[in-house]
Amino acid sequence: ILNVEQSPQSLHVQEGDSTNFTCSFPSSNFYALHWYRWETAKSPEALFVMTLNGDEKKKGRISATLNTKEGYSYLYIKGSQPEDSATYLCAFYSGNTPLVFGKGTRLSVIA
Amino acid sequence: DVKVTQSSRYLVKRTGEKVFLECVQDMDHENMFWYRQDPGLGLRLIYFSYDVKMKEKGDIPEGYSVSREKKERFSLILESASTNQTSMYLCASSLPRPGGGGGYTFGSGTRLTVV
Repeated sequence: ILNVEQSPQSLHVQEGDSTNFTCSFPSSNFYALHWYRWETAKSPEALFVMTLNGDEKKKGRISATLNTKEGYSYLYIKGSQPEDSATYLCAFYSGNTPLVFGKGTRLSVIA
Repeated sequence: DVKVTQSSRYLVKRTGEKVFLECVQDMDHENMFWYRQDPGLGLRLIYFSYDVKMKEKGDIPEGYSVSREKKERFSLILESASTNQTSMYLCASSLPRPGGGGGYTFGSGTRLTVV
């Protein structure tokens, strides 16, 4: 079973703080790396699908970077807001098996 | 608005019952998946299907079976529910190669409690 690790497991930040978390994945057989946001009582929704080494993606205050050679991706949130509170999941895709998810980072933004 | 619909948001069943969890997608996606989510364990893959009448075991298939008679519907069956199957169940669908596209589309989940 492929191993996808996320850290930290949980995070509490003050409104306005910027934060980041990490996803580590196998550096071999890489096809894509996904990030999802899962808010309480809602469905997980896709944030980014990243395929190229060095790729950077941005959506509003959230951005992500990808290093496929060393097997990690960072998710950044600038100026956290209470509505950013959610669990952030990353998932590794090798191209021939379903996504393998990390256990997620639970972010709580305190107003 | 495209979506994945799971038939029940909350479900309470008794030990030994046969339980059906239904999932329907309206995006004409080939791939469909069933995951369960438990605290501290993340999303774990139970079964998946890449085509009608096709099914593959995921990482934790024991105690479960699936049915995919139509492209849009993927059912998860608990043959004889047990308390250790109390969990949040998530259905998802995708295009054949979700790496370059929009990823998985998830349903809103079914929280199953087995008593």
